[in-house]
Amino acid sequence: SSELTQDPAVSVALGQTVRITCQGDSLRNYYASWYQQKPGQAPVLVIYNKNNRPSGIPDRFSGSTSDDTASLTITETQAEDEADYYCNSRVSSLNYWVFGGGTKLTVL
Amino acid sequence: QVQLQESGPGLVKPSETLSLTCTVSGGSISSHYWSWVRQPPGKGLEWIGHLYYRGNADYNPSLKSRVTVSLDTSRDQFSLQLSSVTAADTAVYYCARAYYDATLNFDSWGQGILVIVSS
Repeated sequence: SSELTQDPAVSVALGQTVRITCQGDSLRNYYASWYQQKPGQAPVLVIYNKNNRPSGIPDRFSGSTSDDTASLTITETQAEDEADYYCNSRVSSLNYWVFGGGTKLTVL
Repeated sequence: QVQLQESGPGLVKPSETLSLTCTVSGGSISSHYWSWVRQPPGKGLEWIGHLYYRGNADYNPSLKSRVTVSLDTSRDQFSLQLSSVTAADTAVYYCARAYYDATLNFDSWGQGILVIVSS
């Protein structure tokens, strides 16, 4: 079982806003990073340090954190945003990192 | 732009040691964290461990007794060794570069290599 919990699947209508969440006690103390993975491809970093986007990531992607939950929000969702999304964070004070179980985003 | 490429055998026998190499191009290996992540077929990502270029290694506690990550700066390569493998170690193995800025951010990934554990 993962120490970061994500909903297995979420769906959103084309052009609408969707929030993908990641819950874990460690998020009270450490930021999460977020990764997008399309079938057959390596993951891609989309959000780091709670709400920063690497170069090339559209500004419709944003991140936030409240208490023990980190969120990835996609506004004006596009068809190409359909993918699996994973959060990642440090586990408590230990020097290891864990990924959430992943959320499969379907764009309707 | 840094690029990473995994290489190694795609088939390993049970109880043997899985050995993979990641070749880094377009950037220096003498910085950052150099990491391994795996993904069993149809499942999620699992962080295996990493080696900071100055030599500090951290490993997933569930794998720590079987894992070694090493760095060869002269060849711009880093490696993964996972001993006593079983079918549960069958996965796509990714190498990745990470940097620490408030959290660990995996900003560059290899394409992944499928390793099957089977006799």
